[in-house]
This record gives sequence, structure tokens and C-alpha cells, in this order.
Amino acid sequence: RKEVEQDPGPFNVPEGATVAFNCTYSNSASQSFFWYRQDCRKEPKLLMSVYSSGNEDGRFTAQLNRASQYISLLIRDSKLSDSATYLCVVNINTGGFKTIFGAGTRLFVKA
Amino acid sequence: NAGVTQTPKFRILKIGQSMTLQCTQDMNHNYMYWYRQDPGMGLKLIYYSVGAGITDKGEVPNGYNVSRSTTEDFPLRLELAAPSQTSVYFCASSPQAVSYEQYFGPGTRLTVT
Repeated sequence: RKEVEQDPGPFNVPEGATVAFNCTYSNSASQSFFWYRQDCRKEPKLLMSVYSSGNEDGRFTAQLNRASQYISLLIRDSKLSDSATYLCVVNINTGGFKTIFGAGTRLFVKA
Repeated sequence: NAGVTQTPKFRILKIGQSMTLQCTQDMNHNYMYWYRQDPGMGLKLIYYSVGAGITDKGEVPNGYNVSRSTTEDFPLRLELAAPSQTSVYFCASSPQAVSYEQYFGPGTRLTVT
């Protein structure tokens, strides 16, 4: 079982749609969680950190469920510019440092 | 601030050749990282450093070496290149580990033939 798993997609949605991505992680020592965005042939960039209480940044909402070991990202009112790959990232600190990237979920938003 | 810069952007190596991928950050970050990303896959950590003079292995260190003589620079050395090392290499930095955002460089696309 992969340490961080994401649905690879692609998700094809029309502009204005709401889309949700899920990510599961297997290591209960996971300490911090992030969603990164990666455009085609570009470097990953932080979209948002994910907190236990849930957090929102404009059209984006992230949730963390530690009991079930999953993270979600909700995008409301999708824009063409949201088309990208969304990477789930988990940091584990068990005496040593470990960052695990999910393989990413591809999103295509169409006019 | 330039952030994290990487050179070269592209490189083609022949099997058995060696090269160094350069990475520099101007944000005075303690932590620096090297990742590789294969097509359709997540990033995998090769090596990381928690400060000048201190480095440690990540998930896929075989075939690579690193050094960290200054806070700013974290070069990655490939010895005896193999086709399996064809990938996109990203360098990143962060002020601390674990709970902090990582800032990535633009990547180096390496092909070994």
C-alpha cells in the first residue's frame, strides 16, 4: 500500500462546477499536511496547508480527518485557471524527517 | 529575491557520465531538499540537509551524492549516470522542516541515453 494515495483522475469539469479531491495516508505518525498545485512542466507550489479544524482560502477548502487518515480539497466555482495537478503532501516525523508526495490528481476545467 | 534557482534547465547525458546539478536559495533557509519526479509519479526525496555541513538520505539516494558547504548551495552529484536516472529533478528549501512550506526551484530535466 502506498503511503499517500490519490485518485489520479483526470477530473474533467465545466467552469463553475464544484470538485472534490481525496487523499489517504497510511502512517499514523503523519504530522503536517499540505495541498500543492503543479502546472504542466512546472515546479509544485503550495496551495494551502491543511489543519485539523479545516481551513478555507477563497474558493478552496481543505479538511483533515485524522481518525480516518484522509485529507480532502474542495474547489468551488472552478475556473479555467484551476486546471493543474493537485498534489497531496504529508510530513512524517518519527525521529527522522520524511516528506511523502502523492502522485497527484489531474484537473481539467473546460469552458 | 530570486528564491530557489537551479541549473541547468535541461541536460542529456550518456550512460556512465557524471554531472552536478546546481541549486541555490537566497531566502536563508536552513532546510534544503532534492527530489526526483518520474512521469505520472509523485516526487521522491533523494537527499535533504538541515543546515550547512549536515546531510541525510531520503527515500531514493542510490546513485547520488550531495554536499552542503554553505547555507545557500546544495549541489546534487550524479556519478556513473544510468537510464533509470532519467527524470525531472527539483530542489526545494524551507525555513524549518515538517510544518513549513517548501519552496521549489524550476527543475532540471535530465535524460540519460
